[in-house]
Amino acid sequence: DAGVIQSPRHEVTEMGQEVTLRCKPISGHNSLFWYRQTMMRGLELLIYFNNNVPIDDSGMPEDRFSAKMPNASFSTLKIQPSEPRDSAVYFCASSFRGLGGELFFGEGSRLTVL
Amino acid sequence: QQQVKQSPQSLIVQKGGIPIINCAYENTAFDYFPWYQQFPGKGPALLIAIRPDVSEKKEGRFTISFNKSAKQFSLHIMDSQPGDSATYFCAASQSGNTGKLIFGQGTTLQVKP
Repeated sequence: DAGVIQSPRHEVTEMGQEVTLRCKPISGHNSLFWYRQTMMRGLELLIYFNNNVPIDDSGMPEDRFSAKMPNASFSTLKIQPSEPRDSAVYFCASSFRGLGGELFFGEGSRLTVL
Repeated sequence: QQQVKQSPQSLIVQKGGIPIINCAYENTAFDYFPWYQQFPGKGPALLIAIRPDVSEKKEGRFTISFNKSAKQFSLHIMDSQPGDSATYFCAASQSGNTGKLIFGQGTTLQVKP
């Protein structure tokens, strides 16, 4: 079985550009999470969805960030406009509620904003 | 109150040693405490988890000790191996929200041959 698939794995962009990160959760999972990892702040939960519905977006830094989950097999995290302080590794994770809460993480998208 | 505090930030042990990583939390509503292991360039992966109805859980060489009154829990790695070199994160969440994990800052472990 394929795990959580994220793309792109690496993205280098210039300040002000739009960035879109993509995630395909594990088939059958009904919860999806976007985390951001930096040296300074560690792993931060940005937003999570249950059954494609955003439940808690309190971790989204500001209006420049948005996330969508149009169906059970796809989610995007968009940053517009991007800033150098957005440079981080962004992880998508999925889980099946009712199975004890284990999160399955993708390999991450490393974003560098110049 | 949502924080999970983890220490130490880094740890170096010799092969066969027993590294211990500690975490503390404030929110008494937390009732699920997993540990995740992360290798460079990879996402975190669940290592072992505990709920507060037990004080200890072992899986292979990995043991979680849990002290509910002190609001602390720790990870012990018995007979550590160079392949255990990784970053370890403790986390916590509450029932009904088991996916909304609050992570500690992480501990980078190096096991020397």
